[in-house]
Amino acid sequence: DAGVTQSPTHLIKTRGQHVTLRCSPISGHKSVSWYQQVLGQGPQFIFQYYEKEERGRGNFPDRFSARQFPNYSSELNVNALLLGDSALYLCASSQRIPGGYGELFFGEGSRLTVL
Amino acid sequence: AQKVTQAQTEISVVEKEDVTLDCVYETRDTTYYLFWYKQPPSGELVFLIRRNSFDEQNEISGRYSWNFQKSTSSFNFTITASQVVDSAVYFCALSLSSGNTGKLIFGQGTTLQVKP
Repeated sequence: DAGVTQSPTHLIKTRGQHVTLRCSPISGHKSVSWYQQVLGQGPQFIFQYYEKEERGRGNFPDRFSARQFPNYSSELNVNALLLGDSALYLCASSQRIPGGYGELFFGEGSRLTVL
Repeated sequence: AQKVTQAQTEISVVEKEDVTLDCVYETRDTTYYLFWYKQPPSGELVFLIRRNSFDEQNEISGRYSWNFQKSTSSFNFTITASQVVDSAVYFCALSLSSGNTGKLIFGQGTTLQVKP
């Protein structure tokens, strides 16, 4: 069975541009979470979606937005990119609402470089 | 506030040595979950173990073992007879059962290098 897939794997943008990152969860998983991992640090929670509804939001500015589609795939959008947005963006899926009920299955991430 | 601290930034051992990765957490919740994840160079976080706050029984799985002590708010991870393939970044994480926000709070990670 396919794991969590993310695209693109690598991308380079310039300051002020917009980026869209995509995630396909494991088949049967209805929850998708997004994390930002800056080099040398642990992942930071951005969003969690369950059944197409936002169920959690981390401490990120409104430039960050996301949505989940009827097939449970998800997009993370970041507007007006800043140099500090350079990071590995990880998507994770789970069968149910996580937060203790089950482990998250992570993709390999999308590495964003902002110049 | 909730927080996870992994004081060891980098650890280097020689193959076959035992190594313990430390994790200390902070939370006022009485119900919570603790996790360990492994991140190889590919970037994907690989789930290793989940523990809930009511289960302090230590666990051994092959070469891996975990020591959960609520009295000291610690959840340490030991690899016995380390191998080169164990080289990776290891993250300890905390999740609260309240709120159902799906948020994992990660530590800074410990980079483990196992030399042949």
